[in-house]
Amino acid sequence: QSVLTQPPSASGTPGQRVTISCSGSSSNIGGNPVSWYQQLPGTAPKLLINNNNQRPSGVPDRFSGSKSGTSASLAISGLQSDDEADYYCAARDDSLHRYVFGAGTKVTVL
Amino acid sequence: QVHLVQSGAEVQKPGASMKVSCKASGYTFTAYYMHWVRQAPGQGLEWMGQINPKSGGTQYAQEFQGRVTMTRDTSISTASMELSRLRSDDTAVYYCASEYCSGDSCSKAFDYWGQGTLITVSS
Repeated sequence: QSVLTQPPSASGTPGQRVTISCSGSSSNIGGNPVSWYQQLPGTAPKLLINNNNQRPSGVPDRFSGSKSGTSASLAISGLQSDDEADYYCAARDDSLHRYVFGAGTKVTVL
Repeated sequence: QVHLVQSGAEVQKPGASMKVSCKASGYTFTAYYMHWVRQAPGQGLEWMGQINPKSGGTQYAQEFQGRVTMTRDTSISTASMELSRLRSDDTAVYYCASEYCSGDSCSKAFDYWGQGTLITVSS
């Protein structure tokens, strides 16, 4: 049972916009920045969004993040076939004294 | 360009210990905390702990306390993670991941990741 709650799957057709939610609590998302990671099949995770909504250099602006209260979301606009991957949210949890992850959302491009 | 290069896959017997290394290049080793994250087959990501390469200070997830040891050698920009008393459910890909820290302020994100090391625990 993950501390952060994500939907197990999301899908869309090429060009569509897909949104992934990540729900937590005041001890994690509510009090700390959220980051998002993309894991392509068979590869290591890659940082996609840090500090709730900041894109590291090289990450396309089709990816955007937001946070409100104890929830965060990742949006992928202009969906492409190579966006098929697992997406994880993460945040520091001040009560558990550890980083916590969502269980991951598998994005499928139909 | 930042690279985190991890040691190779291992097969270990239950009860044994394993040690994974992670060599950093392309940045100042002491400017980034090093975290260890694992992923069991077909499962999600699990944070194991972190080490401050400058001070050597560590913080471990409670479930690994007593079994995990994280160390670093600043002379060769390498962090290591040792896990003892291995069980079959420790079979996973183990990742090192770095977090930028400046003074008391850290990014609270895993900026760079190693390629992963598969550890298989089997008799």
